[in-house]
Amino acid sequence: GESVGLHLPTLSVQEGDNSIINCAYSNSASDYFIWYKQESGKGPQFIIDIRSNMDKRQGQRVTVLLNKTVKHLSLQIAATQPGDSAVYFCAENDGGGSNYKLTFGKGTLLTVNP
Amino acid sequence: NAGVTQTPKFQVLKTGQSMTLQCAQDMNHEYMSWYRQDPGMGLRLIHYSVGAGITDQGEVPNGYNVSRSTTEDFPLRLLSAAPSQTSVYFCASGNLGEQYFGPGTRLTVT
Repeated sequence: GESVGLHLPTLSVQEGDNSIINCAYSNSASDYFIWYKQESGKGPQFIIDIRSNMDKRQGQRVTVLLNKTVKHLSLQIAATQPGDSAVYFCAENDGGGSNYKLTFGKGTLLTVNP
Repeated sequence: NAGVTQTPKFQVLKTGQSMTLQCAQDMNHEYMSWYRQDPGMGLRLIHYSVGAGITDQGEVPNGYNVSRSTTEDFPLRLLSAAPSQTSVYFCASGNLGEQYFGPGTRLTVT
């Protein structure tokens, strides 16, 4: 998994498997978290978000889990497809000062093998 | 509806040259921002704007200027390019989390 501020890890899965991408954050004041997907040569694309008053949120084939106790965020992708191959970033906002400043992690490269 | 557009797609500058990276959006978003992305790293916020006439600094603002005279446009200016500014630049508009990113400008400073 990744940590906001560390190296770019990789995850390789087989098509059809479930993928779990992890993110650790250090700012205990962060209260809003977002996952983005970035395909090669493109800008990031919003996937799903979660606020700190929730511990789980589901979207289409994706689930985000938030554990505030250990400051950990994860993105689960069900039935991973080749089109899911991309770099996935988590981002956080601490809600203070400006509600518009996001801090991005360095990303996890997901490779889906057919 | 073109979304967020950026020009140019690629640019090579010599140290000391100036240039403006253009960004436009047609979704009537109040919030726009500029990020840079370096190899193996996430995006870092350079400057952002919460509306026409309002701009503020992000995490790495040094060496960059912005202005926001209209809702649609948010240009990023490099006054005197340095090799450390070699990067891919992304413009985004939207809300805090659900931002729409442009395709990026790949800038090389030699």
